[in-house]
Amino acid sequence: AQKITQTQPGMFVQEKEAVTLDCTYDTSDPSYGLFWYKQPSSGEMIFLIYQGSYDQQNATEGRYSLNFQKARKSANLVISASQLGDSAMYFCAMRERAAGNKLTFGGGTRVLVKP
Amino acid sequence: GAGVSQSPSNKVTEKGKDVELRCDPISGHTALYWYRQSLGQGLEFLIYFQGNSAPDKSGLPSDRFSAERTGGSVSTLTIQRTQQEDSAVYLCASSLFPGASDTQYFGPGTRLTVL
Repeated sequence: AQKITQTQPGMFVQEKEAVTLDCTYDTSDPSYGLFWYKQPSSGEMIFLIYQGSYDQQNATEGRYSLNFQKARKSANLVISASQLGDSAMYFCAMRERAAGNKLTFGGGTRVLVKP
Repeated sequence: GAGVSQSPSNKVTEKGKDVELRCDPISGHTALYWYRQSLGQGLEFLIYFQGNSAPDKSGLPSDRFSAERTGGSVSTLTIQRTQQEDSAVYLCASSLFPGASDTQYFGPGTRLTVL
């Protein structure tokens, strides 16, 4: 079974609108962390936001927020007020304590922001 | 401060040759990771270093792949007798210390093309 599933291979969003990127995960480890990274066409992976499995509040970082639904094992990324520079690939990743320190990535979602 | 740097940015080699890829982590980061990104396999973990030792080598695809880290800093990933399926972008990341909540910061990657 896939550890991290991103069901949206690609999506368009209008500039200044919000967009939600889906991420579901599969783990039996009670201690884990969820990360979102952005990869623009330049190729570098840019860290966006982190959510720990024991965190009570949903994480927020500027225009990025994470909609963490633990019981449903989902960690959707919400980007508010989209900008042209948000056009990129977005990856959801998980680190499980029992699995060591490696990140397991989803397949990614390509976002294209339209002016 | 400086981020993670990798060299070379691009490497084209002939099948059967050996290649070395270098990673300079963020100063003071004790943990270092190598990942591979390819069209067919997505983003895959290769190896993790804590200091100069590699407690997790589980992602290395074959014994043609090896890595070392010296002085708790620079790391080199070596691929011997390269094959066409080794063509991919090799990403290095570092983190301050290993832990479930610790963020991994990525370098720009080395794009390897095996002809």
